[in-house]
Amino acid sequence: QQPVQSPQAVILREGEDAVINCSSSKALYSVHWYRQKHGEAPVFLMILLKGGEQKGHEKISASFNEKKQQSSLYLTASQLSYSGTYFCGTEGQAGTALIFGKGTTLSVSS
Amino acid sequence: DAGVTQSPTHLIKTRGQQVTLRCSPKSGHDTVSWYQQALGQGPQFIFQYYEEEERQRGNFPDRFSGHQFPNYSSELNVNALLLGDSALYLCASSLGGYSNQPQHFGDGTRLSIL
Repeated sequence: QQPVQSPQAVILREGEDAVINCSSSKALYSVHWYRQKHGEAPVFLMILLKGGEQKGHEKISASFNEKKQQSSLYLTASQLSYSGTYFCGTEGQAGTALIFGKGTTLSVSS
Repeated sequence: DAGVTQSPTHLIKTRGQQVTLRCSPKSGHDTVSWYQQALGQGPQFIFQYYEEEERQRGNFPDRFSGHQFPNYSSELNVNALLLGDSALYLCASSLGGYSNQPQHFGDGTRLSIL
């Protein structure tokens, strides 16, 4: 079951904050976040595991609500380099394949 | 430290033909996953290889097959190409599989079917 991301697109000015949400209809073991710039490979940002463990980027934070099967990515004091499409990938059980959402496009202007 | 490399970067084929895409994982990684990414969509999982065996497979027909070599590099083969196979094909490598390990993606192969 593909996770649903919201919003579909966000437009920000430098220094503003944004929240990107990822929601699944099934129980989740982990949520992975990636950013992809146009014409480039997706780049790893964060992994959130059931039980609270997190691995990821120093300047980006995220939350994982296991009961609601939701994750949110928090981008604070946005920079021009934050522009791109953000994907969440969800894992239903440990060791199963990641299912990616359709993405959220973030545009940051000066 | 070399990251994930994929070849070729672009490929144009006609319907019915066969294609082979190649991937070299990041140094130290032993697991390779392949994804298909249509324009404006998220990556869709095709299959994963670990220890030279297909460990998991997504919802793709048997026309899609793969292989992993002893040096952990991998190939994706697609037979009887259809127009709908036009997409960006991404390879991602990781250590030991999913869960607590990030995947490192290559830049992809852009496949166009005429």
